[in-house]
Amino acid sequence: GDSVTQMEGPVTLSEEAFLTINCTYTATGYPSLFWYVQYPGEGLQLLLKATKADDKGSNKGFEATYRKETTSFHLEKGSVQVSDSAVYFCALRSGGSYIPTFGRGTSLIVHP
Amino acid sequence: SAVISQKPSRDICQRGTSLTIQCQVDSQVTMMFWYRQQPGQSLTLIATANQGSEATYESGFVIDKFPISRPNLTFSTLTVSNMSPEDSSIYLCSVESGTTDTQYFGPGTRLTVL
Repeated sequence: GDSVTQMEGPVTLSEEAFLTINCTYTATGYPSLFWYVQYPGEGLQLLLKATKADDKGSNKGFEATYRKETTSFHLEKGSVQVSDSAVYFCALRSGGSYIPTFGRGTSLIVHP
Repeated sequence: SAVISQKPSRDICQRGTSLTIQCQVDSQVTMMFWYRQQPGQSLTLIATANQGSEATYESGFVIDKFPISRPNLTFSTLTVSNMSPEDSSIYLCSVESGTTDTQYFGPGTRLTVL
């Protein structure tokens, strides 16, 4: 079945540091890939998505590229802010299914 | 995108009681989903609710424990029945956007059972 593996957290960074959160997946066919963010005390918000190989999703300075050859969708940001502190979830949705498969989430803590 | 609201945002309940969570969407949607997020964990799908039909429950979840209503295309409720401390979780409502291939989530209901 489909699965998503994320790097374990927490990831702790200083403000303005470079961020990478690794995400790899196993799926049949050609899934759509997503990153969701959950800020403290809130629900999940869609951060970015990519629907086919080599697509790059981007939003709020975050980027992720759909790499079919390595089955990866790593999240990156060049310069993190304290306000980026949150839990980040990688997810996929295989064609024909309404139900995404989520990773376990990676907590990001950014210190001033 | 869809705007989703949930009530209550949080509650503290006594074991053996029941709580009904409401989910309201600002547009008509065919499918609504209920998830549970236990502390420090990822999301687990409880059930899928279509208007006009019985909800479809995932393995490990049953209607007697988590009855769901879906009276129209913009509203759903999830009841957590006969609660125990193990039911302490965040419960999230979600909808599928048919045009963008994306799920959108409500802010969640934080439930603590004592």
